[in-house]
Amino acid sequence: QVQLVQSGAEVKKPGASVKVSCKTSGYTFTDSNIYWVRQATGQGLEWMGWVNPNSGNTAYAPRFQGRVTMTRNSSISTAYMELSSLTSEDTAVYYCTRDVMALTRRWFDPWGQGTLVTVSS
Amino acid sequence: EIVLTQSPGTLSLSPGETATLSCRASQNIRASDLVWYQQTPGQAPRVLIYGASSRATGIPDRFSGSGSGTDFTLTISRLEPEDFVVYYCQQFGGSPPVTFGQGTRLES
Repeated sequence: QVQLVQSGAEVKKPGASVKVSCKTSGYTFTDSNIYWVRQATGQGLEWMGWVNPNSGNTAYAPRFQGRVTMTRNSSISTAYMELSSLTSEDTAVYYCTRDVMALTRRWFDPWGQGTLVTVSS
Repeated sequence: EIVLTQSPGTLSLSPGETATLSCRASQNIRASDLVWYQQTPGQAPRVLIYGASSRATGIPDRFSGSGSGTDFTLTISRLEPEDFVVYYCQQFGGSPPVTFGQGTRLES
């Protein structure tokens, strides 16, 4: 079955960077974009951006532009999200997911298990 | 930017009843681009409905979606105890290309 398995929890100091990985299996890695979504504790879902595993092209949400970098290593079917200049407001669970398309319809499925990033001095 | 507004924020019902959750878009969106997710505490979201009205694999027929234009609805019939969690709508399209509603919490 399709699986997205993320790297483990991280604790970072303000100003540092964090890099989260998302290892995929069960499908052809280059067939679907990988999206990153974060969720602060008790809050809603926030889209951060996506990476096309085939071309490496990316698109980022405006509020993260300049601070986020999404990459991939197709040889190991893994996507990465790196966020720099961390502040306490970046403390959240970070999810990767892939988009699925059928005719004109799209949805996210499945999702990784989430990676908790805590930013604290 | 397309803003999705979900209502109510919290919905209080009892098992066996029917829940009606609303998702309103700030401008017309294609029904094919509207998705509903369910999120259980401590878990990642899972897809319930895509294309506004198509049930995802393994989702019971108690869950149904409808709507078009700016108004979309998720209906959950015969509520089960495990249904009392949080629901999000999401759309593809426009700029930015992905937005989520703020969520509706279904409580018993």
